[in-house]
Amino acid sequence: LAKTTQPISMDSYEGQEVNITCSHNNIATNDYITWYQQFPSQGPRFIIQGYKTKVTNEVASLFIPADRKSSTLSLPRVSLSDTAVYYCLVGEVMDSSYKLIFGSGTRLLVRP
Amino acid sequence: GAVVSQHPSWVICKSGTSVKIECRSLDFQATTMFWYRQFPKQSLMLMATSNEGSKATYEQGVEKDKFLINHASLTLSTLTVTSAHPEDSSFYICSGDTGTQYFGPGTRLTVL
Repeated sequence: LAKTTQPISMDSYEGQEVNITCSHNNIATNDYITWYQQFPSQGPRFIIQGYKTKVTNEVASLFIPADRKSSTLSLPRVSLSDTAVYYCLVGEVMDSSYKLIFGSGTRLLVRP
Repeated sequence: GAVVSQHPSWVICKSGTSVKIECRSLDFQATTMFWYRQFPKQSLMLMATSNEGSKATYEQGVEKDKFLINHASLTLSTLTVTSAHPEDSSFYICSGDTGTQYFGPGTRLTVL
């Protein structure tokens, strides 16, 4: 079972800021939080990764509260090309390997 | 980010034949690679963990004799779908682990 819960879908308009929140109540002490973007018929693309507080890169910001039981991916000024499925993942150590178990993801639709 | 390639990007085969899919890490060495399968409109499902120089670890419900994984070098893992059937038609995606998982572009398998 995936360790994360996200909204199934979100709608937005071009130019708006989009915030996608993910719940991971059972996150382990050594787990990082990673977000991926996936377009149809493509492999997931790494967006951002964080452990706590705030991380920012050229495409997104990631906000993680002190208890780390949730995280929020913030996409500033989205465009039509940001329409995709966004996955929030935390790892699982199983059989001595660190695995990513995908949840359902959030299907973001950006409208003109 | 790190780059992972897959070959072929798509393949069509007849029922009963075997198909090999290659996954290469182009700019890093991957002791561990992962293989996923994704059906239309669904999330990625982890199939197996590929370990360089040792046997792969398969997830529950994945037939190891049907999905043969070989990880002979630090930059190459292969997945062979043996005696393929139409229900094996899917999108197969690999990833390499650098501490963060980077995904390949995927391979579309269609079994007639």
